[in-house]
Amino acid sequence: SQKIEQNSEALNIQEGKTATLTCNYTNYSPAYLQWYRQDPGRGPVFLLLIRENEKEKRKERLKVTFDTTLKQSLFHITASQPADSATYLCAPAGGDSNYQLIWGAGTKLIIKP
Amino acid sequence: DVKVTQSSRYLVKRTGEKVFLECVQDMDHENMFWYRQDPGLGLRLIYFSYDVKMKEKGDIPEGYSVSREKKERFSLILESASTNQTSMYLCASSPLGEAALNEQFFGPGTRLTVL
Repeated sequence: SQKIEQNSEALNIQEGKTATLTCNYTNYSPAYLQWYRQDPGRGPVFLLLIRENEKEKRKERLKVTFDTTLKQSLFHITASQPADSATYLCAPAGGDSNYQLIWGAGTKLIIKP
Repeated sequence: DVKVTQSSRYLVKRTGEKVFLECVQDMDHENMFWYRQDPGLGLRLIYFSYDVKMKEKGDIPEGYSVSREKKERFSLILESASTNQTSMYLCASSPLGEAALNEQFFGPGTRLTVL
């Protein structure tokens, strides 16, 4: 069955450094991948969508890559700030005749001042 | 400011009770979704709807039903609540089109506890 893996351990990063989060998927060939941010007690908020033919996408301090060979997406936050602390969810979709999002459990990011 | 609202932030019910969770969106979106979120698991799709009175089962529909009588409102019903339905329930909406291609807008969630 399709499986989405994100690092379950919290990621601690010093303010100002680049944070890199990983999303791996198996038994699946998605055509799209979405990233969301979720703060405690709130619903997820959409950040970026990347298509399989885009390889890389940027939005302000955010950068997402999509490597269909490695079956992996990387999510980078440059010049990280304490306000970036949250849980980040990846959600591949499309391909294999499945156009609903399949969600990872998320990685908790903590940016220390 | 676009908004998805859910009727309750916290809810405590007893085993066997019928539970209604309401979701309203003000963005005129065609698609609406109900998910549950449990620790260590990704969001799991319970049901979705792409139009009024239309519904499709998601990955875990057992023990749940839904109703969409108006475009802006999507209700989740637990026919007979059980303790394994204790969870965070999230409603979302998105514009017409494939879910894979569209941003989903989420409500704040309802934390349901079944005793």
